Amino acid sequence: QVQLQESGPGLVKPSETLSLTCAVSGYSISSVYYWGWIRQPPGKGLEWIGSIYHSGSTYYNPSLKSRVTISVDTSKNQFSLKLSSVTAADTAVYYCARQQKWLQHYYFDYWGQGTLVTVSS
Amino acid sequence: EIVMTQSPATLSVSPGERATLSCRASQSVSSNLAWYQQKPGQAPRLLIYGASTRATGIPARFSGSGSGTEFTLTISSLQSEDFAVYYCQQYNDWPPFTFGPGTKVDIK
Repeated sequence: QVQLQESGPGLVKPSETLSLTCAVSGYSISSVYYWGWIRQPPGKGLEWIGSIYHSGSTYYNPSLKSRVTISVDTSKNQFSLKLSSVTAADTAVYYCARQQKWLQHYYFDYWGQGTLVTVSS
Repeated sequence: EIVMTQSPATLSVSPGERATLSCRASQSVSSNLAWYQQKPGQAPRLLIYGASTRATGIPARFSGSGSGTEFTLTISSLQSEDFAVYYCQQYNDWPPFTFGPGTKVDIK
């Protein structure tokens, strides 16, 4: 059974960098899937942040691209998110998810429980 | 960027009744569309991919249809556990992958 677990600080100061890690268990991250980050501001909808393949290839939301870095550590079976220069608008529940990569299909089939990150001084 | 819209924003339905949720794309996404269910305090759960294929373990009362720009998620007979928010997501033209704003299904 695939399981994903986000971890990282729940509080980040404005202008600093948000850093989160997603530990994957029950499945090798070095497989034919993408691994993605999605966020959800309180009471709002879902926003895709970016995705990474085990080779290190990354795809980012153009609206966040200048501030986002996603990396993968296959030895630890985990991947990470860094979002720089955060503001209150980056306050959200951050989810990591496995993203299907099969023919034309790129949906998210397994999700972590999510972690709330608040940006505040 | 493909913009996804969903209607209605809120749908009030009695248990046992049929619920029909709509999702529209600003341009054609072929059949490259997924539906998710999200309950309060939980992560989204994949229901449908390819516009009409149920994900593993999803009950048959959930069905998806449509292609191009117009899509429908139908719940044939609402159970108590189906009251939730439902999102559609397109993966035809990316980046970015985009989600609709959601439809909340609540108890009438």
